[in-house]
Parts: sequence; structure tokens; C-alpha cells
Amino acid sequence: DAMVIQNPRYQVTQFGKPVTLSCSQTLNHNVMYWYQQKSSQAPKLLFHYYDKDFNNEADTPDNFQSRRPNTSFCFLDIRSPGLGDAAMYLCATSDPFGRSGSGANVLTFGAGSRLTVL
Amino acid sequence: AQSVSQHNHHVILSEAASLELGCNYSYGGTVNLFWYVQYPGQHLQLLLKYFSGDPLVKGIKGFEAEFIKSKFSFNLRKPSVQWSDTAEYFCAVKHKGRDDKIIFGKGTRLHILP
Repeated sequence: DAMVIQNPRYQVTQFGKPVTLSCSQTLNHNVMYWYQQKSSQAPKLLFHYYDKDFNNEADTPDNFQSRRPNTSFCFLDIRSPGLGDAAMYLCATSDPFGRSGSGANVLTFGAGSRLTVL
Repeated sequence: AQSVSQHNHHVILSEAASLELGCNYSYGGTVNLFWYVQYPGQHLQLLLKYFSGDPLVKGIKGFEAEFIKSKFSFNLRKPSVQWSDTAEYFCAVKHKGRDDKIIFGKGTRLHILP
């Protein structure tokens, strides 16, 4: 089945030790998003790509970086994780034109990567 | 700044009760509106969406939502809830014609008592 796959599902790191979270999709969607979700809070958009065009949210800390080497893959790099970065990180994709059958601008989410910072 | 407000953070209902979850957004232009649901241990998934046309939209599992432009609202309703509706519900907004940002509300945790 076409889907969005995130790895790892659970990541434990030490304070300041860099981590990379990955997201892959088989939907061929143009847009890929990274959201941060903390308990009882809204998923917070960190950044998104439209194809290779990168769109950073103004309040996303510099500590968070992203790469999209091709249509299928997108990575979230946290350069120096702090305790406040412990959260669920959600990857999502969308097709603005609805060509893939999922509906225009409908987000397809991965299962998320839960980051714990010790 | 764009924002989405969900008024109810935690709702507890008995089975067969009627449900209405509030959602308001802050933008005055044309919007796409969504409700997403996250069942325990599962991904976020689409419940229903509004792009244009009939402001009353029907989604999966008997849910519906009404877009009221004058109130900047998109409330979610279900006439008779079931235990299996226990989940977290998120309202989301995309401002049409602008970039591809989709902004979420804080979510409402719904607990249905059997």
C-alpha cells in the first residue's frame, strides 16, 4: 500500500547529541511536512517542502534542519537536542492537485517518531 | 498570525449522546478546512474536509461538519456517538491560494463511556 513511513519509531538520545529522523513516501506527493507534537498540544509545523523548495516557519529554531534529497525522502536533523525537544515528530505529505486519489491538500501522515532526550 | 482554536480540550460522553466539537479559525480569506482524527495508537487520518460548495459536509463514521463563514467556524458533529469514537480530534486550516501551510488546532480528546 502507498504510505508514509517514518524511522525510527522511537529515538532516545542524550542532551546535545545530534539525531536524524527519516521519512519516506510512496505516494509521489509534491509536498512533505514536518510537524512537532508535544503532549496535549497542536501539531506545530516546523517546515515543509514543495518539491525542492524549502519553507521554514519563522519560529522554528535553527537547531532544526531538514533535507529532501529526492521526491521520496525527507529528513529532520536536530543538531543539538535539548530537553524541550522531546516530542513526537510527524511527517506528512500532500498533493496540492489531488492527482493521487487522496484529495487535494489532504495530509497523509506517518506513524511518527517519538524522541526522548536524556 | 494564522490560528485555529478548538474550544473543548477534553470531552467525556456516554454512548448514544450527541457530539459537537467547536473549531474557529482566524483568517478572513478563502480556506480549506479539515477535521483529522487520531485513534489510540494510530496515525492521524482525515475525517472530513471542506473546500467549497455545500457548507455541510459529511465524513466517515457518521461525522459531519458545518462551515459557517460569518462565524469563521467549522464545528464537528455526530448525532449519536459510539465507544469506538474515543480518539483525539484535530481541526486544521489551509488558506487557499497561499503557501501550502496547514495549521492545526490543539485537539480535543474525546472519551466515550460504554
